[in-house]
Amino acid sequence: GAVVSQHPSRVICKSGTSVKIECRSLDFQATTMFWYRQFPKKSLMLMATSNEGSKATYEQGVEKDKFLINHASLTLSTLTVTSAHPEDSSFYICSARSYQGNYGYTFGSGTRLTVV
Amino acid sequence: GESVGLHLPTLSVQEGDNSIINCAYSNSASDYFIWYKQESGKGPQFIIDIRSNMDKRQGQRVTVLLNKTVKHLSLQIAATQPGDSAVYFCAENLSGYSTLTFGKGTMLLVSP
Repeated sequence: GAVVSQHPSRVICKSGTSVKIECRSLDFQATTMFWYRQFPKKSLMLMATSNEGSKATYEQGVEKDKFLINHASLTLSTLTVTSAHPEDSSFYICSARSYQGNYGYTFGSGTRLTVV
Repeated sequence: GESVGLHLPTLSVQEGDNSIINCAYSNSASDYFIWYKQESGKGPQFIIDIRSNMDKRQGQRVTVLLNKTVKHLSLQIAATQPGDSAVYFCAENLSGYSTLTFGKGTMLLVSP
C-alpha cells in the first residue's frame, strides 16, 4: 500500500530559527501534497496544497512567507517554518494524493514542533 | 454515552459493544467521504470510504452509512475493542477538487 514518510517526528527549536519538515511518498508518485496543522483536541486544518513543480496554494489566513512549501519532485515536499515563534508550536501533518485506480489520500505520521 | 461540549465529543463504550460515530458534513455537493482513525501523536489512518452514489459500505468490522438528504455520515464499529480507542474524523471531498475537508472529530474510549 501507499506509504508516506514524514520527518522528523519531533523537533524542538529556539525562537527565531527555521525548521524544515520533510514529507516523502515512498512507493508512489504524489501528484499533490497537502500540509495540515493540528492543535490539541482539534481537527486537521489545511494550510496549503502543493503540486509538483508549481507554487503552493495557501489557505486563507496562512502566511506563505512564514510557512514555505517546496514540492520539487513527485516524491518530496518540504514545509519550512521560518523565524519560528512559540505560537507556531503545533502538530504538522502532510498528506499525499496519488492515482492508483482511484485517488487515494495517504497521511504521514506527523511532526510535533515545539518552539522554545 | 456521548458528550458534546467545548472539548472534543467523546463516546465511551464497553469492549464488545457496537459503536456508532456520527458526522455532519458541510457541502451538499461533496461526493466522496472518508473516515479516518487518529491515535495520539500519529497521523490519520484510513478506515473506509464511500461515494455519494452509495448509501452503505461495509468493511471488516466497520460500516459507513451516508444520508445525503440530511448531510449525515456515520461509522459503525462492531464488537469494539480497546485498540479502537482513538479520535475518528470524517472527511469530505468534491470531485474535481483535490482538497479534503475534515469534520471536528469524535474521541472513542473503549473500556475493557
